[in-house]
This record gives sequence, structure tokens and C-alpha cells, in this order.
Amino acid sequence: AAGVIQSPRHLIKEKRETATLKCYPIPRHDTVYWYQQGPGQDPQFLISFYEKMQSDKGSIPDRFSAQQFSDYHSELNMSSLELGDSALYFCASSPPPLLSYEQYFGPGTRLTVT
Amino acid sequence: AQSVTQLDSHVSVSEGTPVLLRCNYSSSYSPSLFWYVQHPNKGLQLLLKYTSAATLVKGINGFEAEFKKSETSFHLTKPSAHMSDAAEYFCFYSGTYKYIFGTGTRLKVLA
Repeated sequence: AAGVIQSPRHLIKEKRETATLKCYPIPRHDTVYWYQQGPGQDPQFLISFYEKMQSDKGSIPDRFSAQQFSDYHSELNMSSLELGDSALYFCASSPPPLLSYEQYFGPGTRLTVT
Repeated sequence: AQSVTQLDSHVSVSEGTPVLLRCNYSSSYSPSLFWYVQHPNKGLQLLLKYTSAATLVKGINGFEAEFKKSETSFHLTKPSAHMSDAAEYFCFYSGTYKYIFGTGTRLKVLA
């Protein structure tokens, strides 16, 4: 069965650089979520999109932005990177209807900021 | 406010013995609750879900969980642990614009 695809799987950036993470949801899933998991921590919700519109916002820094495109893939853009942004970033997708609640996670992108 | 509490940060069991990972929730609404497993340096795999249907939920790899509204609990169990079960387990609440993970329970399986 098709799963959520995230790219790249690993990314190394320097402080103050920018990074773009991509997420391709499971086919026919219309909702995408982004999470950040710091070392030894539980995942924290960042932001979600439903039908290309932002549906909810969690603890996403102002330096980060995201969008969902017409093909439902999503990109998380991170600017002015800080050491503390080093984490595993997960994308998840949900099938319709909205608020089906069931989320399927991708393998994550490990971002290291040096 | 909604919350999820995993009562044990670490659990150790011997191979072949039962597993119990505890999760309590707080919610004013009927919750949707999930258990995910995360192996080292891997993503989150859905084990099972409760979405207001049967209170006893069966998942993959022999895991099951029982939703008990009176106790606000959703504990994860498995009759017999296998070495491959060693991982981090997360209880997850998903509701109307609320997505909350518990702090995780690291399961160690002893040979």
C-alpha cells in the first residue's frame, strides 16, 4: 500500500540558512499535518492543511511557513534556521472526510542545523 | 482542555510475558485515540485506533487496547512480548483541531 512520502530524508543546514521539506500524502488523502519531534521528545503539532487551505496552527515558529498545493503535496519552509530547529519533522495525512482523525505518518525528515 | 498522559516513561518485560502500556486522557468530547509505535530512527506506525465504535480495539502485531470512559483510559496490551516489540510507544489524541501525543513509553524486552 502507498504510504506518505517525505523528502529529503536527511538534511544538514547551517545556522541562518533556509530549508524546504516536502511531503506527498497517501493518494486520495486531502489533509496534511506537520509535526516536529526534538531529540527524546514527543512529536509536537506544527500546522495542518485541508483542501489546500490552512486548517489549524500549532506551535509553529513565525520563521516557518507551509502550504499545500493543488496535487495535495505540502512543503514546509524554514528560514533563519537555529540550532534548536534540529529535529525529526514528520508529515502525516488523513483521508476524507475532514476530521476523520486518523493520521498516517511518513518516515520523517531529519534536519540537522550546525 | 484536552490532554494525554502516559503513566510510565519506561517499561521492561521479559520475552513471552504480557505487556501493559498505560494511557489516560482528558477530554470534554468523545475522543479519538490512537497508539503509535516508533522504532529507533524510524517513523510512526499506527498500531490501532479508537473512534467511538467498539471499546476493545484490536491492532497489528497482536496488540489491543480497551477504551474505558469511566476511567478515562486507553491502555495498550499484548499477551506475549516479542523481542521485536522493543520500541517507543505513543498514545495520541486527535480531536477537533487538537492533536496531542503523550510523552511516550519506551518498552524494553528482555531475553
